[in-house]
Amino acid sequence: GQSLEQPSEVTAVEGAIVQINCTYQTSGFYGLSWYQQHDGGAPTFLSYNALDGLEETGRFSSFLSRSDSYGYLLLQELQMKDSASYFCAIKAAGNKLTFGGGTRVLVKP
Amino acid sequence: KAGVTQTPRYLIKTRGQQVTLSCSPISGHRSVSWYQQTPGQGLQFLFEYFSETQRNKGNFPGRFSGRQFSNSRSEMNVSTLELGDSALYLCASSPGTSGFTDTQYFGPGTRLTVL
Repeated sequence: GQSLEQPSEVTAVEGAIVQINCTYQTSGFYGLSWYQQHDGGAPTFLSYNALDGLEETGRFSSFLSRSDSYGYLLLQELQMKDSASYFCAIKAAGNKLTFGGGTRVLVKP
Repeated sequence: KAGVTQTPRYLIKTRGQQVTLSCSPISGHRSVSWYQQTPGQGLQFLFEYFSETQRNKGNFPGRFSGRQFSNSRSEMNVSTLELGDSALYLCASSPGTSGFTDTQYFGPGTRLTVL
């Protein structure tokens, strides 16, 4: 089967940088995705990494190292609206999307 | 394009009853997946339908079933409800044709409470 681990909670102040790590165990790995979910809202797609390296999308960047079975989501210039839960997810053998437990990011003024 | 819609948004049932949840995907999307979200277990994959066929299935008991219609709308059914079935049920759609990189577009979810 597949498993993912990410920290349960991170707290930071506005303007800071936060890195959310995600380690995974799986067979037949295809890629790592990140989703954001605000309280009471639906998850929304942030990024996808299929190859090693860094993908940048505005203030958010995502990194993948396939050899280390590791990835991270970097949130820069934190804003209050970034307070949310962030999930890493992998699609692997069997084409099932498996999510990590989520990291709750709390941004303080 | 309109987003993914789910009905009803909230539902209260009692143990032993059955429930049917509905999902309308984004126009043009042929894949619909269902997920269960609970505080303890997180987001768990239930199943995926593509072109009216179940393409993938998660590790849930047979009480959880689904189907997809020719217009890609999908329904999920849970029979013999248990207290542990209380959760947010999320539906997600994707084009379904780009293989493993399909981004999931989630609906707002149906909050099911079993008493």
